[in-house]
Order: sequence, then structure tokens, then C-alpha cells
Amino acid sequence: EVQLVESGGHLVQPGGSLKLSCAASGFTFSGSAIHWVRQASGKGLEWVGRIRSKANNYAPAYGVSVTGRCTVSRDDLKNTAYLQLDSLRTEDTAVYYCTRHVEENSGYFDYWGQGLLVTVSS
Amino acid sequence: QSVLTQPPSVSGAPGQRVTISCTGSSSNIGAGYDVQWYLQLPGTAPKLLIYGNNNRPSGVPDRFSGSKSGTSASLAITGLQADDEADYYCQTYDRGLIAWVFGEGTKLTVL
Repeated sequence: EVQLVESGGHLVQPGGSLKLSCAASGFTFSGSAIHWVRQASGKGLEWVGRIRSKANNYAPAYGVSVTGRCTVSRDDLKNTAYLQLDSLRTEDTAVYYCTRHVEENSGYFDYWGQGLLVTVSS
Repeated sequence: QSVLTQPPSVSGAPGQRVTISCTGSSSNIGAGYDVQWYLQLPGTAPKLLIYGNNNRPSGVPDRFSGSKSGTSASLAITGLQADDEADYYCQTYDRGLIAWVFGEGTKLTVL
């Protein structure tokens, strides 16, 4: 069974940093791209970032609202992906999901984590 | 404001057919990128409903179907059921933004 489980984050002060983890199981993690998507309360889904597999040079990509503040990484030995977000703003408050990306044409997100609420507040 | 436009809400009676539109542009849907549809129940993660414009993952009933034409796509749900009540999102890739993009979401109400 494919599982993605996010951890980390919770309550962070503005200007601070967070590092979320996404532990994967049930599939060949090392061969998969992992994306991060977030959702503010009552709002829609917003793509945050991506890290591709080793075969694709671990290529990262970032959404416009986090570019320059965000780093995605992975540890294939631990089957875990990471999202680090710096210089946090109140508008970064959201549920953060990691999701597996199937890279066909534009690709699609077939498995999602349960989501992790991150609150940025003083 | 998303580059993919969806109606904020749609509704239908049990057994009826409803459609949800997703309008993009020449930078995304019109550029030939596939459209996906996701269903999200309150408090839960999105679930893949349609991928590659009109393909259903295993386990998704054939009451759900997708189509794409030009710069738009649609999700059709036939034989509406009470537990179809959810938020529905379209998604594709935008080559201008160099980003994966989602529609704003459509809340389906079963009357």
C-alpha cells in the first residue's frame, strides 16, 4: 500500500523557518518525483515545489510565492522528501501536502499524504 | 486568482448529471498539457479522479468522465449520489508560469 506521511512544522513565528518531512512507503521512492502542495483554510490548492529523482538530477522547481525562500530535498535511503521554507509569512499558514507525481506529459498526482497544518503566527 | 477558472459551485439532484468546467489558456490547457481532476472531501487530502484528460484510476466509478477541447476541460458526473458532495479541482501545467496549476475549485452540492 502506498503511503505518504508528513511531519514537522506546526506553529512557527513570522520570519522563522520550517522543515517538513514526507516519509514514503509502498512504492519505489527513489524513482519518483515528489511535489508539495498547500491549501490555506477555505482556499484552493497551490503548488509549492518539486524534487525529481536521481535519474533526473534531483531537479527542483518552486512556485512563484515561495521562490527564493524554499528548498526541496530528499534522502532516498530514508525514503523521505523534505520541504524547507524560510522567512515565513502569515500567508504561508496552510495545510501542506506531499504528493507523488507521475511524469507523463504534464503529469499527475496519484498519491497524497494526509496533510500537515502549519500555522505562522506570533 | 488561478489561471484555471472553475465555477465556484454547481448543484444537482440525486440521479442527475452535472458538469464542471475548467477554462485555461494557450499557456496551459491550450498548449496541449493534460488535465487532471481531483475530488476533496472536507478535512481530507485530494484524491485523483481523472488523469490524462479522460482516464480513470482504478476504483473510480465510470460515472465520472473527463473531456478536453481547446483551452477548456470538463468533468461530468452522472447518476449523482449524495456522497459525491465535495470540492472538485482541475489541474494542469502552465508553461508560461513554469508551474503546475490548479483551478480554484468547485463545490458540488447534491440537492
